[in-house]
Amino acid sequence: NAGVTQTPKFRILKIGQSMTLQCTQDMNHNYMYWYRQDPGMGLKLIYYSVGAGITDKGEVPNGYNVSRSTTEDFPLRLELAAPSQTSVYFCASSATSGRAEGTETQYFGPGTRLLVL
Amino acid sequence: AQSVTQLDSQVPVFEEAPVELRCNYSSSVSVYLFWYVQYPNQGLQLLLKYLSGSTLVKSINGFEAEFNKSQTSFHLRKPSVHISDTAEYFCAVKDFNKFYFGSGTKLNVKP
Repeated sequence: NAGVTQTPKFRILKIGQSMTLQCTQDMNHNYMYWYRQDPGMGLKLIYYSVGAGITDKGEVPNGYNVSRSTTEDFPLRLELAAPSQTSVYFCASSATSGRAEGTETQYFGPGTRLLVL
Repeated sequence: AQSVTQLDSQVPVFEEAPVELRCNYSSSVSVYLFWYVQYPNQGLQLLLKYLSGSTLVKSINGFEAEFNKSQTSFHLRKPSVHISDTAEYFCAVKDFNKFYFGSGTKLNVKP
């Protein structure tokens, strides 16, 4: 299994440009998440999905959009890039939710470093 | 919304010394608690988690954390650290379907 893969690894955008960050998992996980990590700030949840066709906002959704047409893919869209969106973006997935053994373990991708100038 | 506080942004410690990384969160209403570790230029990896049951949870590499409901804390400890433990550690809380992370603690183990 490749786990969680993210593309691209690094991207420079100009203000106002748009792009899609790709995230794919091959573990058949229902839950998928997008986070941004800013220096000294920890991770902030942007959007999450509990299954194909279902998405919901996290803490910092403004300026982003997502879709979940398949179990495997969870792309993150930036429509009008702004300098405030300069960050490292992580995608994660987990199998199930609940208190049973084996649940609630998120697997993270390697991240996409985005610079908006 | 939850808030997660990691008061120590950096913790320097000598090899084989004990260490405690502190984590407090804002509400104890039926939350799940996690510690993640991040090595340079990598994604996060789960270190340990508390979902229910015993309040003391342990990882395979010697770390442990104790859920304290009355103090809304989930501090991470290791009795003897190694150079290889040098990394950034994040505490996280799951409240319903959303995860909230602390700002991280950089553990720097010196020889």
